[in-house]
Amino acid sequence: GAVVSQHPSRVICKSGTSVKIECRSLDFQATTMFWYRQFPKQSLMLMATSNEGSKATYEQGVEKDKFLINHASLTLSTLTVTSAHPEDSSFYICSASVPYNEQFFGPGTRLTVL
Amino acid sequence: GDSVTQMEGPVTLSEEAFLTINCTYTATGYPSLFWYVQYPGEGLQLLLKATKADDKGSNKGFEATYRKETTSFHLEKGSVQVSDSAVYFCALSENSGGSNYKLTFGKGTLLTVNP
Repeated sequence: GAVVSQHPSRVICKSGTSVKIECRSLDFQATTMFWYRQFPKQSLMLMATSNEGSKATYEQGVEKDKFLINHASLTLSTLTVTSAHPEDSSFYICSASVPYNEQFFGPGTRLTVL
Repeated sequence: GDSVTQMEGPVTLSEEAFLTINCTYTATGYPSLFWYVQYPGEGLQLLLKATKADDKGSNKGFEATYRKETTSFHLEKGSVQVSDSAVYFCALSENSGGSNYKLTFGKGTLLTVNP
């Protein structure tokens, strides 16, 4: 149980385009989903926390207009990188949790912006 | 604020060697502690956890004990295998004021086990 999926696993896009990444909890309803960014050989940086049906809470320094997060249902959250640039290339990981419980992580999405 | 400090790698061992990865933390409250493992190109998997002082988390031969007096949660394994090669993250979680438990991660330690 507690499986979280991400789609796509890899995406390559041109600079200036937008990319959407999906995060799904497959066998449980997640009231909260988290989005992380991981740079090569570095730790995970929390970007934002999203609760179903409400606006995401962004961490300091994360541009909310660039990284749009939608948590429309208890099993799906999306991260859209708008007007992507090469510096946005990274490994994006989501996690999902229920109240007072641990986070379950997705397998990650490798974004490469050319 | 909360923080996690873990030993910097990379760590390179021979198969069947003993492994220790140190982890210490600072927290304002009474956190839960975790070790996560990340295999190449994959997301994070929970390896083990402990929720209160003196608890020992264990899984797949790995162990870590929640030491409140030394604010530590060191990861150990008696005999590593090549398949243990991965990046290991120490993390803590505290109630961020509601029902959401934010995770704070250490920087990760790359472990390479050679045959």
